Amino acid sequence: NAGVMQNPRHLVRRRGQEARLRCSPMKGHSHVYWYRQLPEEGLKFMVYLQKENIIDESGMPKERFSAEFPKEGPSILRIQQVVRGDSAAYFCASTAESSPLHFGNGTRLTVT
Amino acid sequence: ELKVEQNPLFLSMQEGKNYTIYCNYSTTSDRLYWYRQDPGKSLESLFVLLSNGAVKQEGRLMASLDTKARLSTLHITAAVHDLSATYFCAVGDGGSNYKLTFGKGTLLTVNP
Repeated sequence: NAGVMQNPRHLVRRRGQEARLRCSPMKGHSHVYWYRQLPEEGLKFMVYLQKENIIDESGMPKERFSAEFPKEGPSILRIQQVVRGDSAAYFCASTAESSPLHFGNGTRLTVT
Repeated sequence: ELKVEQNPLFLSMQEGKNYTIYCNYSTTSDRLYWYRQDPGKSLESLFVLLSNGAVKQEGRLMASLDTKARLSTLHITAAVHDLSATYFCAVGDGGSNYKLTFGKGTLLTVNP
């Protein structure tokens, strides 16, 4: 029973490029969440999605960041025109109804 | 804004000793989680505490919640090397089960 799958594990981008992070939820899970972990900090909530719907994006930066969870395929977190401050570990989590969050192994983004 | 503070942030202890990690939070919530993270890995759910006075135990770890004091503790009994990891507490914002605010984590090192 595969867990939450994230790829890539590591991503290096130059300033100004775009970063695309992918997340496939656990089998049977229809709720996806993205969190960001800055160096030496705890995780911070970014966005909650269900299929084709953004439920809560209160933690998303207002510019350059977007997320989607299409009917088919993985959830995508997209960061346009990356800056050094975007360097962080980005974790995806999924749940079924009312279950604890199950986290993926994360994508570590480095902006040079 | 919900704030979650853990202490200590760094803990070095010898095998066989006992110690407690503390987690304080700033606003009312009756939903608190403890997670473990190994280097480069994802977060593993340890405990979910959902009511005042809740106590849960798994092996050498025991977690408790006092919602009136806004305090949770993670007690380690007779530590072993395998417990070395970073431990995070997380509080459900407004009682949310997905919008979690995490502490900065406690890096635990258990020495032989």
